[in-house]
Amino acid sequence: AQSVTQPDIHITVSEGASLELRCNYSYGATPYLFWYVQSPGQGLQLLLKYFSGDTLVQGIKGFEAEFKRSQSSFNLRKPSVHWSDAAEYFCAVGFSGGYNKLIFGAGTRLAVHP
Amino acid sequence: DADVTQTPRNRITKTGKRIMLECSQTKGHDRMYWYRQDPGLGLRLIYYSFDVKDINKGEISDGYSVSRQAQAKFSLSLESAIPNQTALYFCATSASGGLYYNEQFFGPGTRLTVL
Repeated sequence: AQSVTQPDIHITVSEGASLELRCNYSYGATPYLFWYVQSPGQGLQLLLKYFSGDTLVQGIKGFEAEFKRSQSSFNLRKPSVHWSDAAEYFCAVGFSGGYNKLIFGAGTRLAVHP
Repeated sequence: DADVTQTPRNRITKTGKRIMLECSQTKGHDRMYWYRQDPGLGLRLIYYSFDVKDINKGEISDGYSVSRQAQAKFSLSLESAIPNQTALYFCATSASGGLYYNEQFFGPGTRLTVL
């Protein structure tokens, strides 16, 4: 069955530290991969997406993610976290065909300490 | 102007009341979706629509109904709201056709509280 796993429910980092949020998926073919961010009380904002090509993708707000087919992973990274990055982050996987299915992970809540 | 809009943005209602959440889009997309978000569960699909005459149940459709009034409008109804329907609701749209995945575009969300 298709699934998306974000192993870390909560992560706390210090401002200025590096960040990596993990995402693993289960799917037989090449998926379409997304990271969204949701700030407190806000809607979803697309950070970046991977459809094909270079497996390292750059997004907004200084985020990047790397698709590793062998590990079925699409981890999100940022070299230096800012206090404003405190939010919930969702990994999502899209599947072509049918109704354009999109499955979300449960989310990782990021706290940033000054 | 936002491409996908949702009204209301916040709503508090009582158990047993009927409530409708509305979604409009100006992207010209055929497909529209309703999701709900609960803490620790991510977003889950309630209903989706390929066009005005094609509506399908998603993962968690019990207790909900939808209406596709036009290509640009897709409404979600709770006939008799219950407290465990308290959640953040998102509408999304996507194009159709093509060989590859058609990205979904999300509205700002409606926060619903059922007392």
